[in-house]
Amino acid sequence: AQTVTQSQPEMSVQEAETVTLSCTYDTSESDYYLFWYKQPPSRQMILVIRQEAYKQQNATENRFSVNFQKAAKSFSLKISDSQLGDAAMYFCAYRSARWGGSEKLVFGKGTKLTVNP
Amino acid sequence: NAGVTQTPKFRVLKTGQSMTLLCAQDMNHEYMYWYRQDPGMGLRLIHYSVGEGTTAKGEVPDGYNVSRLKKQNFLLGLESAAPSQTSVYFCASSSYEASNQPQHFGDGTRLSIL
Repeated sequence: AQTVTQSQPEMSVQEAETVTLSCTYDTSESDYYLFWYKQPPSRQMILVIRQEAYKQQNATENRFSVNFQKAAKSFSLKISDSQLGDAAMYFCAYRSARWGGSEKLVFGKGTKLTVNP
Repeated sequence: NAGVTQTPKFRVLKTGQSMTLLCAQDMNHEYMYWYRQDPGMGLRLIHYSVGEGTTAKGEVPDGYNVSRLKKQNFLLGLESAAPSQTSVYFCASSSYEASNQPQHFGDGTRLSIL
Protein backbone atom coordinates (compact mmCIF):
# COMPACT_ATOMS: atom_id res chain seq x y z
CA ALA A 1 0.00 0.00 0.00
CA GLN A 2 1.14 3.49 -0.74
CA THR A 3 2.01 5.88 2.05
CA VAL A 4 2.61 9.62 2.11
CA THR A 5 4.72 11.30 4.77
CA GLN A 6 4.83 14.98 5.63
CA SER A 7 7.58 15.35 8.20
CA GLN A 8 6.84 18.97 9.17
CA PRO A 9 3.68 19.28 11.28
CA GLU A 10 4.09 23.07 11.37
CA MET A 11 6.03 25.67 9.42
CA SER A 12 6.17 29.44 9.52
CA VAL A 13 7.34 32.05 7.04
CA GLN A 14 7.57 35.81 6.89
CA GLU A 15 5.35 37.56 4.44
CA ALA A 16 7.03 37.97 1.01
CA GLU A 17 9.60 35.26 1.73
CA THR A 18 9.87 31.72 0.39
CA VAL A 19 9.01 28.50 2.18
CA THR A 20 9.32 24.84 1.18
CA LEU A 21 7.05 22.10 2.48
CA SER A 22 8.33 18.54 2.36
CA CYS A 23 6.56 15.39 1.21
CA THR A 24 7.86 11.89 0.64
CA TYR A 25 5.92 8.88 -0.51
CA ASP A 26 6.35 5.17 -0.82
CA THR A 27 5.10 3.20 -3.81
CA SER A 28 6.12 0.33 -6.03
CA GLU A 29 4.24 1.79 -8.98
CA SER A 30 5.92 3.71 -11.78
CA ASP A 31 2.95 5.71 -12.96
CA TYR A 32 1.02 7.93 -10.59
CA TYR A 33 -0.07 11.46 -9.80
CA LEU A 34 0.90 13.71 -6.94
CA PHE A 35 -1.07 16.64 -5.61
CA TRP A 36 -0.81 19.42 -3.09
CA TYR A 37 -4.07 20.56 -1.51
CA LYS A 38 -4.57 23.64 0.62
CA GLN A 39 -7.11 23.75 3.43
CA PRO A 40 -7.71 27.23 4.87
CA PRO A 41 -9.73 27.76 8.07
CA SER A 42 -12.88 27.72 5.91
CA ARG A 43 -12.26 23.95 5.68
CA GLN A 44 -12.44 23.84 1.88
CA MET A 45 -10.00 21.52 0.12
CA ILE A 46 -8.39 23.53 -2.67
CA LEU A 47 -6.09 22.02 -5.26
CA VAL A 48 -2.80 23.93 -5.39
CA ILE A 49 -0.74 21.99 -7.89
CA ARG A 50 -0.46 18.55 -9.50
CA GLN A 51 2.37 16.52 -10.99
CA GLU A 52 2.27 13.53 -13.30
CA ALA A 53 5.04 11.06 -12.48
CA TYR A 54 5.90 10.50 -16.13
CA LYS A 55 6.74 14.18 -16.57
CA GLN A 56 10.28 15.17 -15.67
CA GLN A 57 9.50 18.86 -15.69
CA ASN A 58 8.44 20.25 -12.34
CA ALA A 59 4.96 21.73 -12.24
CA THR A 60 4.49 25.44 -11.61
CA GLU A 61 1.38 27.46 -10.82
CA ASN A 62 2.13 31.15 -10.33
CA ARG A 63 3.91 31.44 -6.95
CA PHE A 64 3.68 27.70 -6.30
CA SER A 65 6.15 25.20 -7.68
CA VAL A 66 7.23 21.68 -6.88
CA ASN A 67 10.52 19.85 -6.73
CA PHE A 68 9.68 16.35 -7.91
CA GLN A 69 12.44 13.81 -7.40
CA LYS A 70 11.05 10.50 -8.64
CA ALA A 71 13.99 8.34 -7.68
CA ALA A 72 14.02 9.76 -4.18
CA LYS A 73 10.20 9.64 -4.02
CA SER A 74 10.13 13.24 -2.92
CA PHE A 75 7.58 15.92 -3.83
CA SER A 76 8.18 19.24 -2.07
CA LEU A 77 6.12 22.40 -2.49
CA LYS A 78 7.78 25.81 -2.74
CA ILE A 79 5.74 28.92 -2.08
CA SER A 80 7.41 32.11 -3.26
CA ASP A 81 6.53 35.64 -2.15
CA SER A 82 4.36 34.26 0.66
CA GLN A 83 1.11 36.07 1.33
CA LEU A 84 -1.10 36.17 4.41
CA GLY A 85 -3.73 34.26 2.43
CA ASP A 86 -1.35 31.33 2.06
CA ALA A 87 -1.78 30.48 5.72
CA ALA A 88 -3.48 27.09 5.81
CA MET A 89 -3.02 23.36 6.24
CA TYR A 90 -1.27 21.84 3.25
CA PHE A 91 -1.76 18.22 2.33
CA CYS A 92 0.33 16.15 -0.03
CA ALA A 93 -1.58 13.37 -1.80
CA TYR A 94 -0.83 10.40 -4.03
CA ARG A 95 -3.01 8.70 -6.59
CA SER A 96 -2.24 5.65 -8.67
CA ALA A 97 -2.52 5.95 -12.43
CA ARG A 98 -3.17 2.25 -12.82
CA TRP A 99 -5.88 1.61 -15.39
CA GLY A 100 -9.12 0.51 -13.83
CA GLY A 101 -8.09 1.64 -10.39
CA SER A 102 -10.30 3.39 -7.91
CA GLU A 103 -8.66 6.80 -8.29
CA LYS A 104 -8.58 7.12 -4.51
CA LEU A 105 -6.20 9.55 -2.88
CA VAL A 106 -3.72 8.73 -0.15
CA PHE A 107 -3.03 11.79 1.99
CA GLY A 108 -0.20 12.83 4.23
CA LYS A 109 -1.02 14.14 7.70
CA GLY A 110 -0.58 17.73 6.69
CA THR A 111 1.64 20.72 7.42
CA LYS A 112 0.20 23.80 9.08
CA LEU A 113 1.69 26.92 7.50
CA THR A 114 1.67 30.21 9.38
CA VAL A 115 2.50 33.42 7.53
CA ASN A 116 3.81 36.21 9.75
CA PRO A 117 3.27 39.85 8.71
CA ASN B 1 -22.19 25.70 -10.34
CA ALA B 2 -22.71 23.56 -7.24
CA GLY B 3 -20.00 20.87 -7.65
CA VAL B 4 -20.11 18.64 -4.58
CA THR B 5 -22.72 19.43 -1.94
CA GLN B 6 -22.78 17.88 1.51
CA THR B 7 -25.69 17.98 3.93
CA PRO B 8 -25.84 18.69 6.76
CA LYS B 9 -22.88 20.99 7.51
CA PHE B 10 -23.02 20.45 11.26
CA ARG B 11 -24.63 17.86 13.47
CA VAL B 12 -24.52 16.81 17.09
CA LEU B 13 -25.58 13.29 17.99
CA LYS B 14 -25.85 11.28 21.15
CA THR B 15 -24.05 7.97 21.45
CA GLY B 16 -26.12 5.21 19.89
CA GLN B 17 -28.12 7.44 17.56
CA SER B 18 -28.08 6.89 13.84
CA MET B 19 -27.83 9.33 10.98
CA THR B 20 -27.09 9.62 7.29
CA LEU B 21 -24.82 12.12 5.59
CA LEU B 22 -25.75 12.99 2.05
CA CYS B 23 -23.34 13.85 -0.75
CA ALA B 24 -24.56 15.06 -4.12
CA GLN B 25 -22.50 15.96 -7.18
CA ASP B 26 -23.67 17.50 -10.41
CA MET B 27 -20.57 16.82 -12.55
CA ASN B 28 -21.62 13.34 -13.75
CA HIS B 29 -18.59 11.84 -12.02
CA GLU B 30 -18.30 8.08 -11.78
CA TYR B 31 -16.19 7.96 -8.64
CA MET B 32 -17.26 9.17 -5.22
CA TYR B 33 -15.53 9.00 -1.86
CA TRP B 34 -16.08 9.55 1.84
CA TYR B 35 -13.13 10.69 3.98
CA ARG B 36 -12.84 11.60 7.61
CA GLN B 37 -10.43 14.21 8.90
CA ASP B 38 -9.09 14.12 12.44
CA PRO B 39 -6.45 16.40 13.98
CA GLY B 40 -2.97 15.21 13.12
CA MET B 41 -4.27 12.38 10.94
CA GLY B 42 -4.91 13.99 7.58
CA LEU B 43 -7.78 12.63 5.53
CA ARG B 44 -8.51 8.94 5.67
CA LEU B 45 -10.71 7.09 3.23
CA ILE B 46 -13.80 5.46 4.74
CA HIS B 47 -15.61 4.03 1.72
CA TYR B 48 -15.71 4.75 -1.96
CA SER B 49 -17.70 3.95 -5.07
CA VAL B 50 -16.55 3.48 -8.65
CA GLY B 51 -20.05 3.61 -10.08
CA GLU B 52 -23.76 3.47 -9.42
CA GLY B 53 -24.68 0.46 -7.34
CA THR B 54 -21.09 -0.31 -6.29
CA THR B 55 -19.25 0.42 -3.06
CA ALA B 56 -15.96 -0.63 -1.53
CA LYS B 57 -14.16 -0.31 1.79
CA GLY B 58 -11.41 2.17 2.33
CA GLU B 59 -8.89 2.51 5.11
CA VAL B 60 -11.26 3.03 8.05
CA PRO B 61 -14.66 1.49 7.18
CA ASP B 62 -15.72 0.08 10.55
CA GLY B 63 -18.89 1.58 11.98
CA TYR B 64 -20.00 3.07 8.66
CA ASN B 65 -22.15 1.95 5.76
CA VAL B 66 -22.63 3.54 2.36
CA SER B 67 -24.97 3.38 -0.57
CA ARG B 68 -24.85 4.64 -4.14
CA LEU B 69 -28.30 4.07 -5.54
CA LYS B 70 -28.01 7.00 -7.93
CA LYS B 71 -24.90 8.11 -9.77
CA GLN B 72 -25.07 11.62 -8.37
CA ASN B 73 -25.57 10.66 -4.72
CA PHE B 74 -23.39 8.89 -2.18
CA LEU B 75 -24.76 8.35 1.31
CA LEU B 76 -22.73 7.66 4.44
CA GLY B 77 -24.57 6.06 7.34
CA LEU B 78 -23.74 5.69 11.00
CA GLU B 79 -26.00 3.02 12.47
CA SER B 80 -24.97 3.48 16.10
CA ALA B 81 -22.84 6.57 16.59
CA ALA B 82 -19.83 6.40 18.91
CA PRO B 83 -17.70 9.25 20.33
CA SER B 84 -14.76 7.94 18.24
CA GLN B 85 -16.72 8.96 15.15
CA THR B 86 -16.54 12.62 16.10
CA SER B 87 -14.79 14.09 13.09
CA VAL B 88 -15.09 16.23 10.01
CA TYR B 89 -16.38 14.24 7.06
CA PHE B 90 -15.58 15.09 3.47
CA CYS B 91 -17.18 13.80 0.33
CA ALA B 92 -15.32 13.96 -2.98
CA SER B 93 -15.89 12.95 -6.58
CA SER B 94 -13.78 12.45 -9.66
CA SER B 95 -14.12 11.49 -13.29
CA TYR B 96 -13.13 8.12 -14.74
CA GLU B 97 -12.26 9.76 -18.01
CA ALA B 98 -9.85 12.31 -16.58
CA SER B 99 -7.56 10.37 -14.28
CA ASN B 100 -5.06 13.20 -14.02
CA GLN B 101 -7.72 15.54 -12.74
CA PRO B 102 -8.12 16.19 -9.06
CA GLN B 103 -10.90 15.07 -6.85
CA HIS B 104 -13.53 17.70 -6.17
CA PHE B 105 -14.39 18.07 -2.51
CA GLY B 106 -17.46 19.19 -0.66
CA ASP B 107 -17.20 21.69 2.17
CA GLY B 108 -17.30 19.04 4.88
CA THR B 109 -19.67 18.04 7.67
CA ARG B 110 -18.63 18.55 11.27
CA LEU B 111 -20.10 15.74 13.34
CA SER B 112 -19.92 15.59 17.11
CA ILE B 113 -20.96 12.53 19.07
CA LEU B 114 -21.67 13.12 22.75
